[in-house]
Amino acid sequence: AQSVTQLGSHVSVSEGALVLLRCNYSSSVPPYLFWYVQYPNQGLQLLLKYTSAATLVKGINGFEAEFKKSETSFHLTKPSAHMSDAAEYFCAVSDLNDYKLSFGAGTTVTVRA
Amino acid sequence: DAGVIQSPRHEVTEMGQEVTLRCKPISGHDYLFWYRQTMMRGLELLIYFNNNVPIDDSGMPEDRFSAKMPNASFSTLKIQPSEPRDSAVYFCASSLKGSTEAFFGQGTRLTVV
Repeated sequence: AQSVTQLGSHVSVSEGALVLLRCNYSSSVPPYLFWYVQYPNQGLQLLLKYTSAATLVKGINGFEAEFKKSETSFHLTKPSAHMSDAAEYFCAVSDLNDYKLSFGAGTTVTVRA
Repeated sequence: DAGVIQSPRHEVTEMGQEVTLRCKPISGHDYLFWYRQTMMRGLELLIYFNNNVPIDDSGMPEDRFSAKMPNASFSTLKIQPSEPRDSAVYFCASSLKGSTEAFFGQGTRLTVV
C-alpha cells in the first residue's frame, strides 16, 4: 500500500521566513501526491497536487512543492510565511487508478510575529 | 455549490447509544469517502463508495460501524453501540470521476462519554 512520511510534527517559523515541510513517499511507481491544509475546526482543503505532469507544482496561497523521484520526496515550501499560514498540513498519496487517499501524520505550523 | 455538508457538527452521546452521522456530497460527484481523525491514528479512510456502491470498507474498525449510501446525494455512517474510543472527528469527502481532488466537509466531532 502507498504511504507517506512527514518529517517533523511541528514547525515554528517567523513571519516572513521560509516555510519548509517535508514529505517522503514509499512507492516504486510515482503516485499521485497531495498537500492539504486544515485550519482549526475545519475540514481539509487542497493546497496543491502532483499528477505526473510538471515536477514543480504551484498551489494556492503562495505554496509550491517539488516532486523528486530520486529522493522519493514531495516537500512543500513557501518563501515568506504569513500569520494566516498557521494550520496543520497533511501530505497524502493515492495510486494512479485509485481515488482513496493515505495521509501522513501531519505537521502543525506556527508563525511567530 | 455549498460543498460537502455534514451533520451534525458536534455530537455528544453516552456509551452504548446509537450514533448516526450524515453527509451530503457535492452534486454530481461519483465518489464518497468517510475518514476518521484522531490524535493517535491520524486520518484514516473508513470506507468509500463509487456511484452509491461500497467499494472498499477495509478501514471500518468493527462490526459496530456501518455505512450506507441510499442515493447519490446522501450517505450515513452509523455506530451501534458507540464506545468512548470512537470519539474522533469524522470527515466525509467527495470527488468526481477523473479528478484527483477530494473535497472535504467540515467534519462531525463525536464525543462518546
